[in-house]
Amino acid sequence: DTEVTQTPKHLVMGMTNKKSLKCEQHMGHRAMYWYKQKAKKPPELMFVYSYEKLSINESVPSRFSPECPNSSLLNLHLHALQPEDSALYLCASSPTLSDRRPNSPLHFGNGTRLTVT
Amino acid sequence: AQTVTQSQPEMSVQEAETVTLSCTYDTSENNYYLFWYKQPPSRQMILVIRQEAYKQQNATENRFSVNFQKAAKSFSLKISDSQLGDTAMYFCAFSTSGGGADGLTFGKGTHLIIQP
Repeated sequence: DTEVTQTPKHLVMGMTNKKSLKCEQHMGHRAMYWYKQKAKKPPELMFVYSYEKLSINESVPSRFSPECPNSSLLNLHLHALQPEDSALYLCASSPTLSDRRPNSPLHFGNGTRLTVT
Repeated sequence: AQTVTQSQPEMSVQEAETVTLSCTYDTSENNYYLFWYKQPPSRQMILVIRQEAYKQQNATENRFSVNFQKAAKSFSLKISDSQLGDTAMYFCAFSTSGGGADGLTFGKGTHLIIQP
């Protein structure tokens, strides 16, 4: 069982739709991440939140809008997406942003598989 | 900027055999961390093993061990007594933070298939 929960598991949306991806963790972690993964490719970092503030935005198009309403919840709002945005979107969390403790790896969720038609 | 290279797109071995996955990296940093993540068809990224660059001793976790050669910038993963459940994509990753907390740089991955 994963300690990072992502919903929905699958999402199909049209290019004019507005939808949101949700990520939740109850481990007390204060850093949360969005990654995008295309088929047979490694994950690519999109956004990092630290203590509910956006810390890193890897030049992601504005049609992706992250939100961190509280320390347990991370959303990714989607609007006017393109077919090439179809991918697996992974959420992850870690205790803090620059935690150097040996037992603090990133915890990943199972992802949302997004298809844009 | 860091780069991570995995030169084996796919590998296939028989159950119970030992298999080694290769990974090389490039960085100008002196303190960093290396990871192997496993991604089975369930899609979740699972941390297999991690290595701190300042530690000379190679990390081990049960059947998984690494051969860390800092001067050669090499970080290979050895899986002993391979099991069917080891079938997955394996990603080598680099970070300057202990938990990968500033984002991970991933290699392209190796698809490992364990044959019965």
